[in-house]
Amino acid sequence: KQEVTQIPAALSVPEGENLVLNCSFTDSAIYNLQWFRQDPGKGLTSLLLIQSSQREQTSGRLNASLDKSSGRSTLYIAASQPGDSATYLCAVITSRVDTPLVFGKGTRLSVIA
Amino acid sequence: SAVISQKPSRDICQRGTSLTIQCQVDSQVTMMFWYRQQPGQSLTLIATANQGSEATYESGFVIDKFPISRPNLTFSTLTVSNMSPEDSSIYLCSVAGEGNTIYFGEGSWLTVV
Repeated sequence: KQEVTQIPAALSVPEGENLVLNCSFTDSAIYNLQWFRQDPGKGLTSLLLIQSSQREQTSGRLNASLDKSSGRSTLYIAASQPGDSATYLCAVITSRVDTPLVFGKGTRLSVIA
Repeated sequence: SAVISQKPSRDICQRGTSLTIQCQVDSQVTMMFWYRQQPGQSLTLIATANQGSEATYESGFVIDKFPISRPNLTFSTLTVSNMSPEDSSIYLCSVAGEGNTIYFGEGSWLTVV
């Protein structure tokens, strides 16, 4: 059974810092890995999707990497801003796209102005 | 990207009543997924809804409590029946869209009193 772990559970940084969020998964036979952002009381916003054949994806100040063999992914946020404060969730799909995601518990990020 | 609309966005419900949540997608999709997120927790899959067939429920969730309809390829409903305070959660609808990216609605935040 696929399990997804995110470390740290919570993180507080001053504005402007670069930071890394970690995600690990137990079954390396994944189809996709996706990072989401969730603001309090809201739904999920997709940030980056990495397919199993890819090693990284970039969008603006965000960079996500994937190492399938070690079962790890990282989300790098450059020059953090208070607006980045949210919970970041990592999720994997272990077979086809029409099977549901397995989520980690998330990292709650606070960026202090 | 897929645009998903959920209704209601929020509701306060009386114990013992039932509420139906609607999920509308702006494109045709084969499978839709319903998740629950209890306060402070990550997402848990309730069921997978295919058009034209019975929904597939995850362990711990039953059709009598969470009946699902999927009348066409762009719409689904989830009913939370005979609600108790333990059902207070965010309920989220999701689909697989373009590029195998998973998209979520904004969620329906239910409080049972």
